Amino acid sequence: GAVVSQHPSWVICKSGTSVKIECRSLDFQATTMFWYRQFPKQSLMLMATSNEGSKATYEQGVEKDKFLINHASLTLSTLTVTSAHPEDSSFYICSARVDRAYNEQFFGPGTRLTVL
Amino acid sequence: AQTVTQSQPEMSVQEAETVTLSCTYDTSESDYYLFWYKQPPSRQMILVIRQEAYKQQNATENRFSVNFQKAAKSFSLKISDSQLGDAAMYFCAYSPSNEKLTFGTGTRLTIIP
Repeated sequence: GAVVSQHPSWVICKSGTSVKIECRSLDFQATTMFWYRQFPKQSLMLMATSNEGSKATYEQGVEKDKFLINHASLTLSTLTVTSAHPEDSSFYICSARVDRAYNEQFFGPGTRLTVL
Repeated sequence: AQTVTQSQPEMSVQEAETVTLSCTYDTSESDYYLFWYKQPPSRQMILVIRQEAYKQQNATENRFSVNFQKAAKSFSLKISDSQLGDAAMYFCAYSPSNEKLTFGTGTRLTIIP
């Protein structure tokens, strides 16, 4: 149980284009999903917290107009990188909270974005 | 602001031996959760063990156990009988009741056959 998927697993795009990454909770409903960014050999950096049916809460320094997050249902959150540039190349990971009592997050397998 | 510190960027251990990974954190909260996550080369984050701050008993999951020292704000992970499959990045993480995770910088664990 508690499986989270991400699609695509990797994507290459040209500079200036937009890319959408999907995060799905496959066997549970997630009221809260999180989006992280991870640079090589570094830790996970939280970008935003996504709550179903409401606007995402972005961390300081994260451009909300560049990283659009939508959490339209209890099983799906999307991250759209708009007008991508090479510096946006990174590994993007989503997670979903399963059980408030345990405060535990289950992670997706990640999406590697390369912007040419 | 809460911070999580992992002072060991890299560790290595002989197969079948025991290794301890260190983690300290800073918080003014009294109620919170602590986690150790494993990230193998596949980069899939896997929960290893978790600890609720209100519990005095140290959490244990098979070969993995923690030494939780609340007053010292220390949360170390002990891996017993190390196996080749334990090779990975290990991240310590802290979360207060608002559920946002703060990660440490990670420790890369190498298992020597």
